[in-house]
Amino acid sequence: DIQMTQSPSSLSASVGDRVTITCRASQSISRYLNWYQQKPGKAPKLLIHVAASLQSGVPSRFSGSGSGTDFTLTISNLQPEDFATYYCQHSYNYPYTFGQGTKLEIK
Amino acid sequence: QLQLQESGSGLVKPSQILSLTCAVSGGSISSDGFSWSWIRQPPGKGLEWIGHIYHSGSIFYNPSLESRVTMSVDRSKNQFSLGLTSMTAADTAVYYCVRMEIYSGYFDYWGQGTLITVSS
Repeated sequence: DIQMTQSPSSLSASVGDRVTITCRASQSISRYLNWYQQKPGKAPKLLIHVAASLQSGVPSRFSGSGSGTDFTLTISNLQPEDFATYYCQHSYNYPYTFGQGTKLEIK
Repeated sequence: QLQLQESGSGLVKPSQILSLTCAVSGGSISSDGFSWSWIRQPPGKGLEWIGHIYHSGSIFYNPSLESRVTMSVDRSKNQFSLGLTSMTAADTAVYYCVRMEIYSGYFDYWGQGTLITVSS
């Protein structure tokens, strides 16, 4: 199985900040990397697919980049509603696996 | 707007079988380009892909659960189902039914999730 490792595991930031979350795959996954946001008690929400494609309806302050083994999710101008847990997920081969999550908290 | 809704027993005894159904509304389960997945999340932990099924019946399971999992689709009712045998406390989790785009493998529509507790 391909292992997905996110860093950091948790992060404190303020409204208006720019933050970056990293996801590393244990082997090359080309650009088959997707990002999700999850708020407490809610289902995950797709933000970015295929490394850098913004899902319809997702604000443009979210952006993704990377290929191969290293990927980043960047959130510019943090808004109060962005404080949540973020997960990466590869779709290169089966089984699809997720990163362990990055919890973004208000400083 | 596509909607998915899980249903099934919330409490399962150890060694028994979990049965869940996901009703799809606002779209057809037979739509090309999509498959229908189950993903679970133990309380306070991360996400685990269980498997997915196409409307044609083709199925892919996570090898870690393959010996215990069964998935099926009912096109006439626009729903799909999950069965998981030999349940243990380690299977306690929120179970989500999810639509997956098959070409890029991303999960774009999620049910609200249902908490399944394994306890005697």
